[in-house]
Amino acid sequence: SQTIHQWPATLVQPVGSPLSLECTVEGTSNPNLYWYRQAAGRGLQLLFYSVGIGQISSEVPQNLSASRPQDRQFILSSKKLLLSDSGFYLCAWSTGNNQPQHFGDGTRLSIL
Amino acid sequence: GQQLNQSPQSMFIQEGEDVSMNCTSSSIFNTWLWYKQDPGEGPVLLIALYKAGELTSNGRLTAQFGITRKDSFLNISASIPSDVGIYFCAGLSRETSYDKVIFGPGTSLSVIP
Repeated sequence: SQTIHQWPATLVQPVGSPLSLECTVEGTSNPNLYWYRQAAGRGLQLLFYSVGIGQISSEVPQNLSASRPQDRQFILSSKKLLLSDSGFYLCAWSTGNNQPQHFGDGTRLSIL
Repeated sequence: GQQLNQSPQSMFIQEGEDVSMNCTSSSIFNTWLWYKQDPGEGPVLLIALYKAGELTSNGRLTAQFGITRKDSFLNISASIPSDVGIYFCAGLSRETSYDKVIFGPGTSLSVIP
């Protein structure tokens, strides 16, 4: 069966520091991968999606970037964090073809 | 752009009561999805609906894909304390290269023992 792992589960970072959140999927090949941000326990906002290695599309302009160095690895990064980057970050995968997305357990990011 | 509305925004019910929530959109979707999110965790898929008019059950949960393809509802029968959480509907439409999912704002459910 397929599983998705995100880490770390929680992270506290100072303003201006870099960021790297990692997401890996097991048990499937060539998944579509997604990064979402969720503020205040509601409203998932799609940040990035990827349909293959090295292919990244951004939904909203922002301080973050994403990379997909391997088929089942998706990384969310920032060179300099802002206070407004605080939130709950969720990674998801799907097979595409009109199928649902499945989410990881998320990373709670707090910026001080 | 595409947007989903969920109602009610929040619900407080007694344990054992039935729950009904719905989701509407001005856009047509190919697939409707219902997720539940517990505090501090990622959303978990409850039910996926693929055809207009489809009625699908998962234990005490029942969901339907509206005939117009612009709405869906979720019912929970005989609620229990572990039903507490936020319920999201989501509509899926096929874009050029990926399946775009639009999420509703969620319905927060509280169950009073």
